[in-house]
Amino acid sequence: EPEVTQTPSHQVTQMGQEVILRCVPISNHLYFYWYRQILGQKVEFLVSFYNNEISEKSEIFDDQFSVERPDGSNFTLKIRSTKLEDSAMYFCASSARPAEAFFGQGTRLTVV
Amino acid sequence: KNQVEQSPQSLIILEGKNCTLQCNYTVSPFSNLRWYKQDTGRGPVSLTIMTFSENTKSNGRYTATLDADTKQSSLHITASQLSDSASYICVVSQSGKSTFGDGTTLTVKP
Repeated sequence: EPEVTQTPSHQVTQMGQEVILRCVPISNHLYFYWYRQILGQKVEFLVSFYNNEISEKSEIFDDQFSVERPDGSNFTLKIRSTKLEDSAMYFCASSARPAEAFFGQGTRLTVV
Repeated sequence: KNQVEQSPQSLIILEGKNCTLQCNYTVSPFSNLRWYKQDTGRGPVSLTIMTFSENTKSNGRYTATLDADTKQSSLHITASQLSDSASYICVVSQSGKSTFGDGTTLTVKP
């Protein structure tokens, strides 16, 4: 069964560094998403991406964050100048139709 | 502010028993309502997806219902198994943006 793949599974970075979280969505999907889940809290929407541009973003998704689809298969989330409070699970999701969202297994980001 | 409220916050049941989880939402209009199962440290896995015109959707032992008039949904789990222990999340979507509930933590005990 096709699945969304995320790498790395765990990333440790020093405060102030930039990180790039990578995702390979399901191949025939057109809609892509990033979500965040701080430990013990609920999943929060960050951004949705369609047709090579951001279609929706939350108030969390400020100038520190950016997304890119550098080629036909990858979808990345870049976090500039990481802060301690950026520590969380980051989930990528994709879908063939709007707002269905099949999730990857997540990248655990730890900022130290 | 659009909200999705789930109840109970946590639930403990014995293996083999049935249970029902509730979801109330204020998102309107909405594209769809989804129930996910999330095991600890893993990504959410879709159980059911319903549009506003659907009243019920089943997936094996999971049955979701939707009342768009009262803005309520429920997830019924039949003949629970130990592997059903997880967090169950209700998600309501409006165009490209999704609002997640806090989830119900279900523990199934032998």
